[in-house]
Amino acid sequence: NAGVTQTPKFQVLKTGQSMTLQCAQDMNHEYMSWYRQDPGMGLRLIHYSVGAGITDQGEVPNGYNVSRSTTEDFPLRLLSAAPSQTSVYFCASRRQALGEKLFFGSGTQLSVL
Amino acid sequence: AQSVTQPDIHITVSEGASLELRCNYSYGATPYLFWYVQSPGQGLQLLLKYFSGDTLVQGIKGFEAEFKRSQSSFNLRKPSVHWSDAAEYFCAVGANSGYSTLTFGKGTMLLVSP
Repeated sequence: NAGVTQTPKFQVLKTGQSMTLQCAQDMNHEYMSWYRQDPGMGLRLIHYSVGAGITDQGEVPNGYNVSRSTTEDFPLRLLSAAPSQTSVYFCASRRQALGEKLFFGSGTQLSVL
Repeated sequence: AQSVTQPDIHITVSEGASLELRCNYSYGATPYLFWYVQSPGQGLQLLLKYFSGDTLVQGIKGFEAEFKRSQSSFNLRKPSVHWSDAAEYFCAVGANSGYSTLTFGKGTMLLVSP
């Protein structure tokens, strides 16, 4: 099993550009989520999904869009990148049952100039 | 809303000494509690979790944590630290109902001195 796969690992954008961070999991997990990690801020939840066609906002959703057309994939879209979105992004998935652990991808380091 | 506080940003421990990392949570009922570890440039790995039963839980790599409801705490401990334990540690809380999204603390960076 590959687990949770994120691409790309590194990305540099100019302000105003758009891009999509890809996340795929091969564990048939219902729950998928995106976090951003900033120094001194820990991990903050951006968006999450509990199944295909179902998404919801987390703590810091502004500037990001998500969709979930399949169980396996949960892409994160930046519509118009801003320097404040410079961060490390982590995708994570788990089974939907309460108390299940999150499996994390290896992260995408994004810089917006 | 649930929240987590990790009061210590950095902790330095001598190799072989004992370790305790503090975590306090806020949640209206008994939560799910987790400790994750992140090595540099890596994703997060689960050390241990608590959701019911024995309040002292054992995890991987010799770590343990104790849930204390009266103190709203879930402190992580290890009796003897190894240099390879140097990493950032995150406490997280999840609701025991609904979609149970995880809320993370800001992390504690553990430095291990020779």
